[in-house]
Amino acid sequence: SQQGEEDPQALSIQEGENATMNCSYKTSINNLQWYRQNSGRGLVHLILIRSNEREKHSGRLRVTLDTSKKSSSLLITASRAADTASYFCATGGDYKLSFGAGTTVTVRA
Amino acid sequence: GAVVSQHPSWVICKSGTSVKIECRSLDFQATTMFWYRQFPKQSLMLMATSNEGSKATYEQGVEKDKFLINHASLTLSTLTVTSAHPEDSSFYICSARDTGLSNQPQHFGDGTRLSIL
Repeated sequence: SQQGEEDPQALSIQEGENATMNCSYKTSINNLQWYRQNSGRGLVHLILIRSNEREKHSGRLRVTLDTSKKSSSLLITASRAADTASYFCATGGDYKLSFGAGTTVTVRA
Repeated sequence: GAVVSQHPSWVICKSGTSVKIECRSLDFQATTMFWYRQFPKQSLMLMATSNEGSKATYEQGVEKDKFLINHASLTLSTLTVTSAHPEDSSFYICSARDTGLSNQPQHFGDGTRLSIL
């Protein structure tokens, strides 16, 4: 079943701009994960943030986690055309994952 | 890094055919693998959890006789769509997690595009 909502559903930005997307979840978590999916492909893991962490960075990606609000955000800085993809948050710890609805990001050259 | 190989990447076949999809963890062992289904422009929906050496656990609404899962080794799970019909056309994705590690992400195959004519 779907764990929660992501917003926005779709985002179109100019190359070089930042992209921010949000994810909300319903149950308590051990960690929250962000994945990217290029059209017609599988999912690529981006970042895992543990429940006791508030912020995490990986290259141009920044993830925040607010367990009191049961929400997380993913920021992509200085976007590139290659960042065009769908982004999903997922929760579930070491067991099965529940995915958000996803945000489709289009980066215009 | 951990790699999951899924095969085939796409299948086109006639209605009534059974189709087998393989999911392999290439450099780690996975006692548990997961099978998802994804419709266009939608999120992933978990179909079943594949357990090595025992029966799969199916999500509510998923027909176990329609979607046969076998997890015979620590590196291979198979999903067989039996007597496939056009409504079974979808994108099927498997994932696996390294059994020996906790609090780690799952690794996904590249998916199988199934088209039933």
